[in-house]
Amino acid sequence: NAGVTQTPKFQVLKTGQSMTLQCAQDMNHEYMSWYRQDPGMGLRLIHYSVGAGITDQGEVPNGYNVSRSTTEDFPLRLLSAAPSQTSVYFCASSYGWQAMNTGELFFGEGSRLTVL
Amino acid sequence: AQSVTQPDIHITVSEGASLELRCNYSYGATPYLFWYVQSPGQGLQLLLKYFSGDTLVQGIKGFEAEFKRSQSSFNLRKPSVHWSDAAEYFCAVGFVYNFNKFYFGSGTKLNVKP
Repeated sequence: NAGVTQTPKFQVLKTGQSMTLQCAQDMNHEYMSWYRQDPGMGLRLIHYSVGAGITDQGEVPNGYNVSRSTTEDFPLRLLSAAPSQTSVYFCASSYGWQAMNTGELFFGEGSRLTVL
Repeated sequence: AQSVTQPDIHITVSEGASLELRCNYSYGATPYLFWYVQSPGQGLQLLLKYFSGDTLVQGIKGFEAEFKRSQSSFNLRKPSVHWSDAAEYFCAVGFVYNFNKFYFGSGTKLNVKP
């Protein structure tokens, strides 16, 4: 079972460059999200989506763009990379955003991004 | 301000000893509560969750957690730690009808001494 797949696993960018982190899930999950993980700060929500064509901002959306054209894919775009965006990025998905007995997030293995 | 607090950044325990990781939250309503574990270089995996009912919940890998409403706490416990439990542990909260947003604590790194 593939689960949640993130690519690339590692990336080094120069300030000002743009790039896209890919996320795909094969579990037919409605809900998908992107988090960034920084030391001592836990995970912070960047953007999320409750279905194809629907996205919304999380806690730290500035500098990032998302789209959800299919149920399976939820790419995260860095428009003009900055050193403050050096982080580990996690994509996570879930069965249903209103289901009472789920709430479990399924995580990818992470993408480590360094911006010089 | 609303928050999830894990007061211990690092904890070291000896293999075979008991473990308790603390988590407190400050939200107006009782949230849904979760503990996740992150092994080095990996994504997060759900250990257990509390929605309602029995305040002591059992999870995978021999972990359990107790919800105490009066203390706004959801502490994670394990009676006997194994070396493979060395990882980072995150407490998280979610809300009824608003699973769009999960809020995570800052994590507790567990070291296990042989």
